[in-house]
Amino acid sequence: DTAVSQTPKYLVTQMGNDKSIKCEQNLGHDTMYWYKQDSKKFLKIMFSYNNKELIINETVPNRFSPKSPDKAHLNLHINSLELGDSAVYFCASSLSGGRSYEQYFGPGTRLTVT
Amino acid sequence: QKEVEQDPGPLSVPEGAIVSLNCTYSNSAFQYFMWYRQYSRKGPELLMYTYSSGNKEDGRFTAQVDKSSKYISLFIRDSQPSDSATYLCAMSVTSNDYKLSFGAGTTVTVRA
Repeated sequence: DTAVSQTPKYLVTQMGNDKSIKCEQNLGHDTMYWYKQDSKKFLKIMFSYNNKELIINETVPNRFSPKSPDKAHLNLHINSLELGDSAVYFCASSLSGGRSYEQYFGPGTRLTVT
Repeated sequence: QKEVEQDPGPLSVPEGAIVSLNCTYSNSAFQYFMWYRQYSRKGPELLMYTYSSGNKEDGRFTAQVDKSSKYISLFIRDSQPSDSATYLCAMSVTSNDYKLSFGAGTTVTVRA
């Protein structure tokens, strides 16, 4: 019954490695997002896709590359991981057409780079 | 200066107290004001939203917006230990803005 799911929940890796996080939603939403939450709980948007098209691309290092194979899935690939990438990454989804403020978040992926 | 300012706290109150949370903002074009609740090690969830100025009540929760002062508040009456969480305010200009402007979040602990 999970609305927005993410895998993995925890990711511990070394600097320089490449890793991916996957997200799936079963709410029938047409818009998906990636957020980064730092240790101070500040939530910062990174990317957003609407109907598989990139609509938000914040100032994020190009080591981060999102990919939306379909409306229900949004993945995040990170190349050459750095210590500063350690954070919790949240996937979210919403409906467009006047409901974008109502975003549903996944449980988060806690990334630790050592 | 951040677009949305929110005191991160932490805030600790005894059970049954009224919790008062607030955010200030600089963009006068904001029309939609949201409060998200985030339990520890979970994703945020939408608690309430308000359009433009005024009050909105939902059970023990009341959201207030004062656009003239660029100030929004969330009140939790008869607080319970289950209300212990981080509360994030968020704002947007239209209902279809994909990019929300979030506050830093206020961490609240309700002591039994």
